[in-house]
Amino acid sequence: GDSVTQMEGPVTLSEEAFLTINCTYTATGYPSLFWYVQYPGEGLQLLLKATKADDKGSNKGFEATYRKETTSFHLEKGSVQVSDSAVYFCALIRNQAGTALIFGKGTTLSVSS
Amino acid sequence: DGGITQSPKYLFRKEGQNVTLSCEQNLNHDAMYWYRQDPGQGLRLIYYSQIVNDFQKGDIAEGYSVSREKKESFPLTVTSAQKNPTAFYLCASKGQGHGYTFGSGTRLTVV
Repeated sequence: GDSVTQMEGPVTLSEEAFLTINCTYTATGYPSLFWYVQYPGEGLQLLLKATKADDKGSNKGFEATYRKETTSFHLEKGSVQVSDSAVYFCALIRNQAGTALIFGKGTTLSVSS
Repeated sequence: DGGITQSPKYLFRKEGQNVTLSCEQNLNHDAMYWYRQDPGQGLRLIYYSQIVNDFQKGDIAEGYSVSREKKESFPLTVTSAQKNPTAFYLCASKGQGHGYTFGSGTRLTVV
């Protein structure tokens, strides 16, 4: 079945460091891909998305490119801030009716000043 | 403002009791979903509903039940058959052409 694999955390960085969180997927056809962020005690917020191969999603300095050839959607940010500390989830959905988001296990990011 | 509301934020259940978690949305979204979140396991799908009076089991439906009598509401009941119910529960909704909107979650603890 469809699945998402994320790099395991926690990831600990100093402020202004470069961030990469790896995400690969297995899916039938061409799914849409997402990154969600969860701050402590809260629900999930959509960070960015890409709906077809070679699309680049971006938001708040974060970027991810849909790579069909490597079935990957790695999240990157050039300079992290303390406020970026959160749990990040990679997710996919098949582009057909009646399906639901499938999530990776999440990666905890801690940024220190 | 439109949104999705989960209540209560914290819930405590005694062994052997059923409890119901509320999820209400005023976004006019057709589809609604329940996910369970455990540390290190990400989010796993419990049940989902694409339309009123219809719902489907997700990956971990055993020990749970749902109803969808109104478009706005998708309550989740955690029954006594669920042997390990302590978790964080997230409800979400999705409209046509729209992304998912998540509630702020309910943390259920068995005492």
